[in-house]
Amino acid sequence: GENVEQHPSTLSVQEGDSAVIKCTYSDSASNYFPWYKQELGKRPQLIIDIRSNVGEKKDQRIAVTLNKTAKHFSLHITETQPEDSAVYFCAAANQAGTALIFGKGTTLSVSS
Amino acid sequence: EADIYQTPRYLVIGTGKKITLECSQTMGHDKMYWYQQDPGMELHLIHYSYGVNSTEKGDLSSESTVSRIRTEHFPLTLESARPSHTSQYLCASHRTGYGYTFGSGTRLTVV
Repeated sequence: GENVEQHPSTLSVQEGDSAVIKCTYSDSASNYFPWYKQELGKRPQLIIDIRSNVGEKKDQRIAVTLNKTAKHFSLHITETQPEDSAVYFCAAANQAGTALIFGKGTTLSVSS
Repeated sequence: EADIYQTPRYLVIGTGKKITLECSQTMGHDKMYWYQQDPGMELHLIHYSYGVNSTEKGDLSSESTVSRIRTEHFPLTLESARPSHTSQYLCASHRTGYGYTFGSGTRLTVV
């Protein structure tokens, strides 16, 4: 079955810096890779996703890159703000609709 | 508003009690899931369903059961609650090929 590794487990940056979170997956059949943001006491929210036919996707200050050959994908947040502080989870699934397998999460702290 | 709803939000019960956590979605999604999560920690898949009358156990079945009699409803039952069941339980749903929508969760405390 699929296994998703996520690094780092914690990340502290200064406001305005960039933050990068990396994930690797094991199942070459996986072709859907979403990222979730979970603020304290709230439910996880989908912030961006990428499918295997695309190498990069951007949405304002966030971007995701995918390297299918190496089986890894990354979340990039530019110009970080204190409200970006949260736990971020990556996940992988094959598009046939199997359950998402999540990484263990990264706690991002942005200090002003 | 189309969303996924979980009740109750908070629940404190005694050891040995039987409880059912409710989850309903109004988005017509065929796939639904239950995850267990300690605050801010890893999401553990407990059960999932790909449609009516279809249920499967995840990596962490946690001595619970589920049913899927209607598309919109996916309740989780603990037959005999234990302190080790104290956690947050998140329900989610989606259409094939799209990301999950999570419910707000039920925070369960077993005393």
